[in-house]
Amino acid sequence: DIVLTQSPGTLSLSPGERGTLSCRASQSVSSSYLAWYQQKPGQAPRLLIYGTSSRATGIPDRFSGSGSGTDFTLTISRLEPEDFAVYYCQYYGSSLWTFGQGTKVDIK
Amino acid sequence: QLQLRESGPRLVKPSETLSLTCTVSGGSITSTSYYWGWIRQPPGKGLEWIGSVYYSGSTYYTPSLRSRVTMSVDTSKNHFSLKLKSVTAADTAVYYCARADWQLANDFWGQGALVTVSS
Repeated sequence: DIVLTQSPGTLSLSPGERGTLSCRASQSVSSSYLAWYQQKPGQAPRLLIYGTSSRATGIPDRFSGSGSGTDFTLTISRLEPEDFAVYYCQYYGSSLWTFGQGTKVDIK
Repeated sequence: QLQLRESGPRLVKPSETLSLTCTVSGGSITSTSYYWGWIRQPPGKGLEWIGSVYYSGSTYYTPSLRSRVTMSVDTSKNHFSLKLKSVTAADTAVYYCARADWQLANDFWGQGALVTVSS
């Protein structure tokens, strides 16, 4: 089974800064099936990125995804106040889907 | 706009069966393009994918829960269901239902239902 490991566990940044979140897979995976979600307290997760680099409907272009093989990255170019949240990566390229453990982006 | 809503008992006794239903509105559960999934999140913890079900009844379950989970679809009511038997306190979590698209992953989610396992 594929295991996704996200780093860092917590990322402390200021508004306007750039955020770089990592997701590493335990084995090489297809980049067609790597997604990122944002979750705020008390809310359901929201799809940000699918297929490694495609933004979901309505997602601002300050969010971008990249990567291949075992290493994937979510980049937030300039953090807005509403971007402070928890972010999860997900692999969905097999019959068994899986999430990473999450990275919390909080205000420095 | 597609909407999903979880319903079912919010308090379940240990050793009993947790049962939740997800009602889909604004779209058909019989669409050949989608599976329908369940994800859970224990308080203060991360997301755990439980499994997914196709309108035909085909299912996929995460290995750690496979012996206790059953998912099903009722096309006449446009809803799908989750049953988790022999629950313990470790099954206390917010349970989400979501659409599962092979290209778009989980693109639509329900609001979530907190289910507490306690006597």
